[in-house]
Amino acid sequence: NAGVTQTPKFQVLKTGQSMTLQCAQDMNHNSMYWYRQDPGMGLRLIYYSASEGTTDKGEVPNGYNVSRLNKREFSLRLESAAPSQTSVYFCASSEPLIGGNNEQFFGPGTRLTVL
Amino acid sequence: QKEVEQNSGPLSVPEGAIASLNCTYSDRGSQSFFWYRQYSGKSPELIMFIYSNGDKEDGRFTAQLNKASQYVSLLIRDSQPSDSATYLCAVRGSNYQLIWGAGTKLIIKP
Repeated sequence: NAGVTQTPKFQVLKTGQSMTLQCAQDMNHNSMYWYRQDPGMGLRLIYYSASEGTTDKGEVPNGYNVSRLNKREFSLRLESAAPSQTSVYFCASSEPLIGGNNEQFFGPGTRLTVL
Repeated sequence: QKEVEQNSGPLSVPEGAIASLNCTYSDRGSQSFFWYRQYSGKSPELIMFIYSNGDKEDGRFTAQLNKASQYVSLLIRDSQPSDSATYLCAVRGSNYQLIWGAGTKLIIKP
């Protein structure tokens, strides 16, 4: 089992460019998440998907869009990148939100720099 | 706004000693608490979780909850250099999402 995979691992964009971060999990989890992590700050939730076919905004959704392509895959799109979006992006997955211990399993992260 | 607060550190502890990490939370109704470890440049990984009904011990790690004062602690006994990492506290909110602290950097000195 690969767990949670993310591509790419590193990316440099110019302001205004767009890109999609890919995430896939092979643990048959229903719930998936996108976080960003900035120095000195905790993980901040961008979007989440409680189950296939649903997506909801998290704490910091502005400037991002998501797609839950199927149960395995959850992508994050930056339509017009800004320097403020320079961050490390983590995808995570877990058992259903209701019930269970809600342990989230994380991918290796994507380090994004916007110039 | 529900919050989870941690001292950013770094917390420096001699090898073999007990490391004590604390996390305070604002939502009195919280019932699930998580400790994640994050090595530099890596992703977070779960090391302990506890429910509001009790403390938990797993090997060298003990998680304790003080509901009256609204804080949760992580104790690491016989600290090893490999325990050097940032420890993230997370609390499950009323909408079942995790609310994260900024993390405490722990350094174990040989």
